[in-house]
Amino acid sequence: GAGVSQSPSNKVTEKGKDVELRCDPISGHTALYWYRQSLGQGLEFLIYFQGNSAPDKSGLPSDRFSAERTGGSVSTLTIQRTQQEDSAVYLCASSPFSGARANEQFFGPGTRLTVL
Amino acid sequence: KQEVTQIPAALSVPEGENLVLNCSFTDSAIYNLQWFRQDPGKGLTSLLLIQSSQREQTSGRLNASLDKSSGRSTLYIAASQPGDSATYLCVWRIEGSYIPTFGRGTSLIVHP
Repeated sequence: GAGVSQSPSNKVTEKGKDVELRCDPISGHTALYWYRQSLGQGLEFLIYFQGNSAPDKSGLPSDRFSAERTGGSVSTLTIQRTQQEDSAVYLCASSPFSGARANEQFFGPGTRLTVL
Repeated sequence: KQEVTQIPAALSVPEGENLVLNCSFTDSAIYNLQWFRQDPGKGLTSLLLIQSSQREQTSGRLNASLDKSSGRSTLYIAASQPGDSATYLCVWRIEGSYIPTFGRGTSLIVHP
Protein backbone atom coordinates (compact mmCIF):
# COMPACT_ATOMS: atom_id res chain seq x y z
CA GLY A 1 0.00 0.00 0.00
CA ALA A 2 0.94 3.67 -0.14
CA GLY A 3 3.50 4.86 2.35
CA VAL A 4 3.90 8.23 4.03
CA SER A 5 4.25 11.00 1.47
CA GLN A 6 5.62 14.49 1.92
CA SER A 7 5.60 17.55 -0.27
CA PRO A 8 7.44 19.36 -1.57
CA SER A 9 10.54 17.18 -1.71
CA ASN A 10 12.72 20.29 -1.90
CA LYS A 11 12.01 23.86 -0.93
CA VAL A 12 14.30 26.84 -1.35
CA THR A 13 13.13 30.07 0.21
CA GLU A 14 14.47 33.45 1.19
CA LYS A 15 15.08 34.46 4.76
CA GLY A 16 11.95 35.99 6.28
CA LYS A 17 9.46 34.15 4.10
CA ASP A 18 6.88 31.69 5.42
CA VAL A 19 6.85 28.05 4.28
CA GLU A 20 4.36 25.20 4.54
CA LEU A 21 5.37 21.56 4.50
CA ARG A 22 2.84 18.82 3.98
CA CYS A 23 2.62 15.24 5.24
CA ASP A 24 0.15 12.57 4.13
CA PRO A 25 0.32 9.68 6.62
CA ILE A 26 -0.55 6.07 5.93
CA SER A 27 -4.32 5.64 5.89
CA GLY A 28 -5.62 4.53 9.27
CA HIS A 29 -2.54 5.59 11.22
CA THR A 30 -3.67 7.66 14.17
CA ALA A 31 -0.26 8.91 15.32
CA LEU A 32 1.78 11.43 13.36
CA TYR A 33 5.20 12.88 14.16
CA TRP A 34 7.30 15.70 12.74
CA TYR A 35 11.09 15.66 13.09
CA ARG A 36 13.93 17.81 11.89
CA GLN A 37 17.33 16.55 10.80
CA SER A 38 20.04 19.14 10.37
CA LEU A 39 23.17 18.38 8.36
CA GLY A 40 25.28 15.83 10.20
CA GLN A 41 22.92 15.80 13.20
CA GLY A 42 20.51 13.31 14.66
CA LEU A 43 16.76 13.55 14.47
CA GLU A 44 15.11 16.22 16.56
CA PHE A 45 11.50 15.69 17.66
CA LEU A 46 9.21 18.61 16.86
CA ILE A 47 5.55 17.69 17.42
CA TYR A 48 3.30 14.66 17.92
CA PHE A 49 -0.38 14.15 17.04
CA GLN A 50 -2.51 11.25 18.29
CA GLY A 51 -6.06 11.00 17.04
CA ASN A 52 -8.19 13.89 18.25
CA SER A 53 -6.07 14.57 21.33
CA ALA A 54 -4.24 17.83 21.84
CA PRO A 55 -0.83 17.63 20.13
CA ASP A 56 2.42 17.45 22.05
CA LYS A 57 4.26 20.57 20.89
CA SER A 58 7.13 20.29 23.34
CA GLY A 59 9.77 19.92 20.62
CA LEU A 60 8.93 23.02 18.59
CA PRO A 61 12.05 25.25 18.72
CA SER A 62 10.27 28.59 18.64
CA ASP A 63 6.86 30.20 18.19
CA ARG A 64 7.65 30.61 14.50
CA PHE A 65 6.90 26.91 14.15
CA SER A 66 3.35 25.53 14.17
CA ALA A 67 1.57 22.46 12.88
CA GLU A 68 -1.95 21.36 12.19
CA ARG A 69 -3.55 18.05 11.46
CA THR A 70 -6.90 18.25 9.73
CA GLY A 71 -9.47 15.51 10.04
CA GLY A 72 -6.97 13.23 11.73
CA SER A 73 -5.10 12.74 8.48
CA VAL A 74 -3.02 15.27 6.54
CA SER A 75 -0.67 17.48 8.53
CA THR A 76 0.95 20.79 7.67
CA LEU A 77 4.06 22.17 9.36
CA THR A 78 4.34 25.94 8.99
CA ILE A 79 7.50 27.94 9.61
CA GLN A 80 7.02 31.70 9.71
CA ARG A 81 9.72 34.26 9.03
CA THR A 82 12.25 31.57 8.13
CA GLN A 83 15.84 31.87 9.30
CA GLN A 84 18.95 30.27 7.86
CA GLU A 85 19.22 27.96 10.86
CA ASP A 86 15.86 26.48 9.85
CA SER A 87 17.60 24.82 6.89
CA ALA A 88 17.26 21.07 7.42
CA VAL A 89 15.40 17.99 6.27
CA TYR A 90 11.93 17.82 7.80
CA LEU A 91 10.69 14.29 8.25
CA CYS A 92 7.19 13.06 8.98
CA ALA A 93 6.30 9.65 10.40
CA SER A 94 3.03 7.89 11.17
CA SER A 95 2.16 4.92 13.38
CA PRO A 96 -0.84 2.65 13.84
CA PHE A 97 -2.34 2.62 17.30
CA SER A 98 -3.21 -1.06 17.32
CA GLY A 99 -2.47 -4.28 15.51
CA ALA A 100 0.67 -6.31 14.97
CA ARG A 101 2.70 -3.22 14.07
CA ALA A 102 1.28 -0.95 16.74
CA ASN A 103 3.54 2.01 17.50
CA GLU A 104 5.98 1.14 14.70
CA GLN A 105 6.98 4.35 12.95
CA PHE A 106 6.87 4.66 9.17
CA PHE A 107 8.72 7.60 7.70
CA GLY A 108 8.17 9.72 4.66
CA PRO A 109 11.02 10.73 2.31
CA GLY A 110 11.33 14.17 3.89
CA THR A 111 11.32 17.75 2.68
CA ARG A 112 14.71 19.41 2.27
CA LEU A 113 14.36 23.06 3.24
CA THR A 114 17.03 25.56 2.29
CA VAL A 115 16.77 29.12 3.56
CA LEU A 116 18.98 31.54 1.68
CA LYS B 1 17.08 12.68 30.20
CA GLN B 2 16.85 9.60 28.00
CA GLU B 3 19.82 8.95 25.75
CA VAL B 4 20.82 6.44 23.13
CA THR B 5 24.42 5.57 22.34
CA GLN B 6 25.36 3.73 19.20
CA ILE B 7 28.69 2.02 18.78
CA PRO B 8 30.59 2.10 16.53
CA ALA B 9 29.89 5.48 14.95
CA ALA B 10 31.32 4.27 11.66
CA LEU B 11 32.26 0.92 10.20
CA SER B 12 33.87 -0.11 6.92
CA VAL B 13 34.05 -3.80 6.09
CA PRO B 14 34.56 -6.08 3.11
CA GLU B 15 31.58 -7.84 1.62
CA GLY B 16 30.58 -11.10 3.31
CA GLU B 17 31.42 -10.23 6.89
CA ASN B 18 28.98 -10.74 9.73
CA LEU B 19 28.41 -7.48 11.59
CA VAL B 20 27.27 -6.41 15.03
CA LEU B 21 25.93 -2.91 15.66
CA ASN B 22 25.35 -1.88 19.24
CA CYS B 23 22.81 0.41 20.84
CA SER B 24 22.60 1.25 24.53
CA PHE B 25 19.84 3.15 26.30
CA THR B 26 19.47 4.67 29.70
CA ASP B 27 16.17 3.42 31.11
CA SER B 28 15.06 -0.17 31.66
CA ALA B 29 11.40 0.91 31.50
CA ILE B 30 11.54 0.59 27.76
CA TYR B 31 8.33 0.36 25.75
CA ASN B 32 9.78 -0.62 22.40
CA LEU B 33 12.91 -0.28 20.31
CA GLN B 34 13.09 0.12 16.56
CA TRP B 35 15.99 -0.18 14.13
CA PHE B 36 16.03 1.87 10.93
CA ARG B 37 18.35 2.35 8.01
CA GLN B 38 18.79 5.69 6.32
CA ASP B 39 20.28 6.02 2.88
CA PRO B 40 21.92 9.33 1.92
CA GLY B 41 19.32 11.99 1.14
CA LYS B 42 16.46 9.65 1.95
CA GLY B 43 13.99 9.05 4.76
CA LEU B 44 14.18 6.25 7.32
CA THR B 45 13.26 2.68 6.46
CA SER B 46 12.02 0.51 9.31
CA LEU B 47 13.98 -2.72 9.72
CA LEU B 48 12.83 -4.30 12.96
CA LEU B 49 10.61 -3.39 15.91
CA ILE B 50 11.07 -5.10 19.27
CA GLN B 51 8.38 -4.72 21.91
CA SER B 52 9.42 -4.69 25.56
CA SER B 53 8.05 -8.21 26.05
CA GLN B 54 10.22 -9.61 23.25
CA ARG B 55 13.86 -10.66 23.29
CA GLU B 56 14.58 -10.58 19.57
CA GLN B 57 13.21 -10.14 16.07
CA THR B 58 14.47 -11.50 12.78
CA SER B 59 14.01 -10.43 9.19
CA GLY B 60 16.07 -12.10 6.50
CA ARG B 61 19.75 -11.52 7.23
CA LEU B 62 18.93 -9.17 10.10
CA ASN B 63 18.48 -10.09 13.73
CA ALA B 64 17.88 -7.62 16.54
CA SER B 65 18.01 -8.49 20.21
CA LEU B 66 16.86 -6.60 23.29
CA ASP B 67 18.28 -6.92 26.78
CA LYS B 68 16.38 -4.58 29.07
CA SER B 69 18.36 -5.37 32.19
CA SER B 70 21.62 -4.26 30.62
CA GLY B 71 20.04 -1.50 28.53
CA ARG B 72 21.30 -2.86 25.23
CA SER B 73 20.11 -3.81 21.80
CA THR B 74 22.21 -5.45 19.11
CA LEU B 75 21.59 -5.52 15.37
CA TYR B 76 23.28 -8.46 13.72
CA ILE B 77 23.76 -8.38 9.94
CA ALA B 78 24.76 -11.69 8.39
CA ALA B 79 26.81 -11.98 5.22
CA SER B 80 26.97 -8.25 4.57
CA GLN B 81 26.52 -6.91 1.04
CA PRO B 82 27.38 -3.56 -0.59
CA GLY B 83 23.64 -2.80 -0.65
CA ASP B 84 23.69 -2.80 3.16
CA SER B 85 25.74 0.40 3.10
CA ALA B 86 23.71 3.02 4.95
CA THR B 87 23.36 4.67 8.35
CA TYR B 88 21.67 2.47 10.93
CA LEU B 89 19.62 4.19 13.63
CA CYS B 90 18.40 2.82 16.92
CA VAL B 91 15.25 4.44 18.36
CA TRP B 92 13.57 3.69 21.63
CA ARG B 93 10.58 4.78 23.69
CA ILE B 94 10.07 4.52 27.42
CA GLU B 95 6.86 3.49 29.08
CA GLY B 96 4.35 6.30 29.33
CA SER B 97 5.89 8.48 26.63
CA TYR B 98 5.09 8.75 22.95
CA ILE B 99 8.24 10.68 22.17
CA PRO B 100 11.03 8.46 20.89
CA THR B 101 14.73 8.98 21.49
CA PHE B 102 17.06 8.58 18.53
CA GLY B 103 20.66 7.48 18.44
CA ARG B 104 23.16 9.29 16.21
CA GLY B 105 23.55 6.19 14.10
CA THR B 106 26.25 3.86 12.82
CA SER B 107 27.49 4.70 9.34
CA LEU B 108 28.19 1.42 7.54
CA ILE B 109 30.13 0.95 4.34
CA VAL B 110 30.38 -2.53 2.84
CA HIS B 111 32.86 -2.60 0.00
CA PRO B 112 33.01 -5.27 -2.71
